[in-house]
Amino acid sequence: EAGVAQSPRYKIIEKRQSVAFWCNPISGHATLYWYQQILGQGPKLLIQFQNNGVVDDSQLPKDRFSAERLKGVDSTLKIQPAKLEDSAVYLCASSFISPEAFFGQGTRLTVV
Amino acid sequence: AQSVTQLGSHVSVSEGALVLLRCNYSSSVPPYLFWYVQYPNQGLQLLLKYTSAATLVKGINGFEAEFKKSETSFHLTKPSAHMSDAAEYFCAVSDEGNQFYFGTGTSLTVIP
Repeated sequence: EAGVAQSPRYKIIEKRQSVAFWCNPISGHATLYWYQQILGQGPKLLIQFQNNGVVDDSQLPKDRFSAERLKGVDSTLKIQPAKLEDSAVYLCASSFISPEAFFGQGTRLTVV
Repeated sequence: AQSVTQLGSHVSVSEGALVLLRCNYSSSVPPYLFWYVQYPNQGLQLLLKYTSAATLVKGINGFEAEFKKSETSFHLTKPSAHMSDAAEYFCAVSDEGNQFYFGTGTSLTVIP
């Protein structure tokens, strides 16, 4: 069974630029999560989708971050404009019925 | 709201010694509890999970954890540390809504 796929693995951008991350969850997984992991910290939930609907986006900085999950499968997370404090690893995860999340390898974003 | 506290951001053990990583949770409902491991530049990999079955949970790579409701703890142990166990370990709690809350992580160093 293929795991959660994320791309790109690494991205370096200048502040005020925009960036997008892509995630393809495990086939059949209805729930998809985006987490932000700042160096030295645990992952923090940004947004949770159930199929193509948003369950929780209370911690998503909506003035600069946006996410969508078209057709309930792939998802993209966008940051526009990026700030220095957005430097982090962005993790995508998916889950099926059981409360267990499967994580992708993440995208490491560096904002300079 | 659910939360987890990991005591000790850094733990060092000698190769062959007991590994003990501490996790305490706060939950208003019976929780699901998890331990994840993260190797450098990788995503999170599930070590083990507690889902209200047996209180002693065995995971991969010789790790196990015991759910103690009276102490609100879910400490991770391994009888004999191996060099390959050096990584970051995260405790997480999930509620019935499948939202995951992570601790700040414990970095395990194994000394030869």
